Amino acid sequence: GAVVSQHPSWVICKSGTSVKIECRSLDFQATTMFWYRQFPKQSLMLMATSNEGSKATYEQGVEKDKFLINHASLTLSTLTVTSAHPEDSSFYICSARVPSGRGGELFFGEGSRLTVL
Amino acid sequence: AQTVTQSQPEMSVQEAETVTLSCTYDTSESDYYLFWYKQPPSRQMILVIRQEAYKQQNATENRFSVNFQKAAKSFSLKISDSQLGDAAMYFCAYLTQGAQKLVFGQGTRLTINP
Repeated sequence: GAVVSQHPSWVICKSGTSVKIECRSLDFQATTMFWYRQFPKQSLMLMATSNEGSKATYEQGVEKDKFLINHASLTLSTLTVTSAHPEDSSFYICSARVPSGRGGELFFGEGSRLTVL
Repeated sequence: AQTVTQSQPEMSVQEAETVTLSCTYDTSESDYYLFWYKQPPSRQMILVIRQEAYKQQNATENRFSVNFQKAAKSFSLKISDSQLGDAAMYFCAYLTQGAQKLVFGQGTRLTINP
């Protein structure tokens, strides 16, 4: 199947700093990527839809200025957690849709665990 | 808005036995996709099986099969001949039309007893 890669897989940062997480589609072009957040022992919560060449669409309750999403190319979307605080600590997962794939098929990255001290 | 409900937070089964995980959903759409994803301890989301709503035939992938009841808005997953490697969190998911967003259920943690 298609491959989606996230980097870094694990990051620790100090409170007040910004952290960037990358999501890459390695063997296909993804016009749309999705960013999820997952708290321990909970489900995935969609944060935003990342569209190549345009602004991301955020879900209700997600702070746009806090979670900056950039989708500058067909293979890369980035999520930047700005001025991170301990409550931002979580597992962040991206997914991408294969344009030519069977309807609805999404592939997920390995996830990135963020710990804010 | 679409919602997905998994009423079983945890399930356990003996190795080689069969287990069924429940999922119900709510939607006003007539055409959509439903999925079961597996999330092992590595946290990597793995697609287990997919069902297209307009297809009456239940999807099957080796030991995994679904019981799709469109009128009842039910989409259960049956795992036959359970193996130790099947132990994971299982998420039922609904794909919305238009925005093509995945809506996940709360998840069911499956334990396989040797």
